Amino acid sequence: NAGVTQTPKFRVLKTGQSMTLLCAQDMNHEYMYWYRQDPGMGLRLIHYSVGEGTTAKGEVPDGYNVSRLKKQNFLLGLESAAPSQTSVYFCASSYSLTSADTQYFGPGTRLTVL
Amino acid sequence: GDSVTQMEGPVTLSEEAFLTINCTYTATGYPSLFWYVQYPGEGLQLLLKATKADDKGSNKGFEATYRKETTSFHLEKGSVQVSDSAVYFCALSDRGGSYIPTFGRGTSLIVHP
Repeated sequence: NAGVTQTPKFRVLKTGQSMTLLCAQDMNHEYMYWYRQDPGMGLRLIHYSVGEGTTAKGEVPDGYNVSRLKKQNFLLGLESAAPSQTSVYFCASSYSLTSADTQYFGPGTRLTVL
Repeated sequence: GDSVTQMEGPVTLSEEAFLTINCTYTATGYPSLFWYVQYPGEGLQLLLKATKADDKGSNKGFEATYRKETTSFHLEKGSVQVSDSAVYFCALSDRGGSYIPTFGRGTSLIVHP
């Protein structure tokens, strides 16, 4: 049981390049999330998904797109990377969307945009 | 809207010292409260949680009590170890809202031998 995994662990992009971050979970969770973590800002929600084929915007969605074609995978795309998107990206999943439910996090992807 | 406020860090302690990390919240509904811990180079993991007023969450020697009257959920540990050095996040999930967790900014704890 690997839990939540993220690919890649590190990436350096040039401004304007595109890339896709992959998140996979093997816990059969319905709900998946993408966060970014910046110094002094805590975690900010980018997009989330309440099930296969559905996505919704979070707090900071601009410049990102997502897809959830399979229940176990949640992809985060950057179409034209900007230096402001330099951050650590975390994927998380949860079984349900009740107030008491725990989120399970991946190890993170450190992205640098030059 | 919902928000979580944590004390700013870093908090620097000697081994075996008493730890308190303050957390207060505002919520439109009746939230569940969480503490997550992030060890260096890793993702967040749940440390403890409480789902109703006066509940005490506990794990690995850490405790936090849900205080509705003061809207607080302070994290405490009686004797910290070097291995407790990490970033601690307070979070809430509001039954009156979207249930998507709201996180505080995190408090870094550094424990010296």
